[in-house]
Amino acid sequence: DGGITQSPKYLFRKEGQNVTLSCEQNLNHDAMYWYRQDPGQGLRLIYYSQIVNDFQKGDIAEGYSVSREKKESFPLTVTSAQKNPTAFYLCASSIKGQPYYGYTFGSGTRLTVV
Amino acid sequence: SQQGEEDPQALSIQEGENATMNCSYKTSINNLQWYRQNSGRGLVHLILIRSNEREKHSGRLRVTLDTSKKSSSLLITASRAADTASYFCATDASGSRLTFGEGTQLTVNP
Repeated sequence: DGGITQSPKYLFRKEGQNVTLSCEQNLNHDAMYWYRQDPGQGLRLIYYSQIVNDFQKGDIAEGYSVSREKKESFPLTVTSAQKNPTAFYLCASSIKGQPYYGYTFGSGTRLTVV
Repeated sequence: SQQGEEDPQALSIQEGENATMNCSYKTSINNLQWYRQNSGRGLVHLILIRSNEREKHSGRLRVTLDTSKKSSSLLITASRAADTASYFCATDASGSRLTFGEGTQLTVNP
């Protein structure tokens, strides 16, 4: 079955450490997105990519980095520059250039700073 | 920036009742979408309404869109305990990204 896989489901980070969240899709979607969700809040866009080897900053990109070397993969690195990284991270994908289709979401990674 | 704002923030009803959630937004849009999120899970796409549409149905869901008021509503009829979740509206203004609202937490009591 096609879908998006995020791993790990839970991740613990020490102060000053970089961590990478994985997002893989087999839907043949061109566009991929990373959102951050804080408790009781909506989703805020971190980065998005419409095509391989290209990506754009979202609303809260500071302290995060991404790469898009393959169509299927869009990993997110939470760097030590992100001062408040504890949150629920959601990856999504969609058909590029088709504004009338919804996003498909992964099941999320919960990141906690210890 | 948060484009959509849902109202109410929380809604508690009895099974069998209808649930109505509202969403307001600020800029012109291509389409507006509604998503559902069960606790601790990813979002699931429910329904999309285009800017030139006024009403759309899908099963027990009914969505309306009023572009003159920049608002939308989601109606869930004959609610069930399994409908308990958070519901988010999301707007597509650019064709390249969605902007989500803060969500409405719906609780359906058996």
